[in-house]
Amino acid sequence: AQSVTQLDSQVPVFEEAPVELRCNYSSSVSVYLFWYVQYPNQGLQLLLKYLSGSTLVESINGFEAEFNKSQTSFHLRKPSVHISDTAEYFCAVSENTNAGKSTFGDGTTLTVKP
Amino acid sequence: EAGVTQFPSHSVIEKGQTVTLRCDPISGHDNLYWYRRVMGKEIKFLLHFVKESKQDESGMPNNRFLAERTGGTYSTLKVQPAELEDSGVYFCASSQAGVNTIYFGEGSWLTVV
Repeated sequence: AQSVTQLDSQVPVFEEAPVELRCNYSSSVSVYLFWYVQYPNQGLQLLLKYLSGSTLVESINGFEAEFNKSQTSFHLRKPSVHISDTAEYFCAVSENTNAGKSTFGDGTTLTVKP
Repeated sequence: EAGVTQFPSHSVIEKGQTVTLRCDPISGHDNLYWYRRVMGKEIKFLLHFVKESKQDESGMPNNRFLAERTGGTYSTLKVQPAELEDSGVYFCASSQAGVNTIYFGEGSWLTVV
């Protein structure tokens, strides 16, 4: 069985500050990792994913995440956040490339303050 | 192109009543998934359709939940009879065959009182 732990339920930061949303997982097999974002009153959207290859993956809006197999982590980072990044972020893990049957974390609410 | 749409967006029902949630996937998406998020906890997988067939229903909590996908198009999730612990947000998602990017709907908020 696999599990996902998002270590922070709430992360408040000021605009233009860096941020890290932490995610740890456990699994007995190789995994595929995902970060989703849910903006207010919207559905979840895929932010980025790690399937294979480079352990550092990036999104189009400046977020990046690094797969660390030894530490079983997939932390999400952004060097400078904007007000518009305020949202809930979910880390998810799948034991195959079928992202549909992923195990999700509890979510981290990122609040960016002016 | 329309995204995944869910109806109703909010529903408040009494314990013991029946509720049916509907999901319209993106046109051409063979895969359809249902999830549930209870009380701000993790999003839990309920089941997976490939076209009209149930591929995996290992996450369905009990036999009060019934999911169908008529003709491989839209899907319904019926809760009968509803219990207080069924309250939460029910998400639907869809994806194309062989593609690992899934697209979520906005969710259906269910409150059982």
